[in-house]
Amino acid sequence: EDQVTQSPEALRLQEGESSSLNCSYTVSGLRGLFWYRQDPGKGPEFLFTLYSAGEEKEKERLKATLTKKESFLHITAPKPEDSATYLCAVQASSNTGKLIFGQGTTLQVKP
Amino acid sequence: EAQVTQNPRYLITVTGKKLTVTCSQNMNHEYMSWYRQDPGLGLRQIYYSMNVEVTDKGDVPEGYKVSRKEKRNFPLILESPSPNQTSLYFCASSPRVRDEKLFFGSGTQLSVL
Repeated sequence: EDQVTQSPEALRLQEGESSSLNCSYTVSGLRGLFWYRQDPGKGPEFLFTLYSAGEEKEKERLKATLTKKESFLHITAPKPEDSATYLCAVQASSNTGKLIFGQGTTLQVKP
Repeated sequence: EAQVTQNPRYLITVTGKKLTVTCSQNMNHEYMSWYRQDPGLGLRQIYYSMNVEVTDKGDVPEGYKVSRKEKRNFPLILESPSPNQTSLYFCASSPRVRDEKLFFGSGTQLSVL
């Protein structure tokens, strides 16, 4: 069964304190792994797509990496505006219409 | 402005009273999908549509119906709502089914009493 697990559930950081969020996945043939950001009261907003192990993508203070079993979202020197819930999702090659999300990691960055 | 529009934003109803949540996108996207979001369970896919007149079940389709008669609209129908369908619902779309980037609506908070 295809599955996505994110850890930790919640993370509190001081401004400038770098850390990583984890997304472990089990899927029968990965077509793509996606990261989204969700602010309270809003729909998720796309951040990255990763397609193959070893791939990395960066956007401002965020960097996403991918291995054959997991993905990391590294946050370097975070700011309070980075506070949000970060969602990971996978798409299997066998059924590209389905997207399986993890439970999310809620990040709070204190000034 | 390119967007996915859901209505209503908030809805309180009673068990068994049929309701429809509308979803419309103005980007000419082929792919549309519905999700529900519950605390501790994350986003779970209800139904998706790869194009007009083509729909398929996601992971939690029980108690829901959808239709895709036009490219821009993808309504979610609850024929006989029950309290366990109380949730936050999101509609999303993308240009093609294999596209990476989903555009989400702002959500519909449904409470079934």
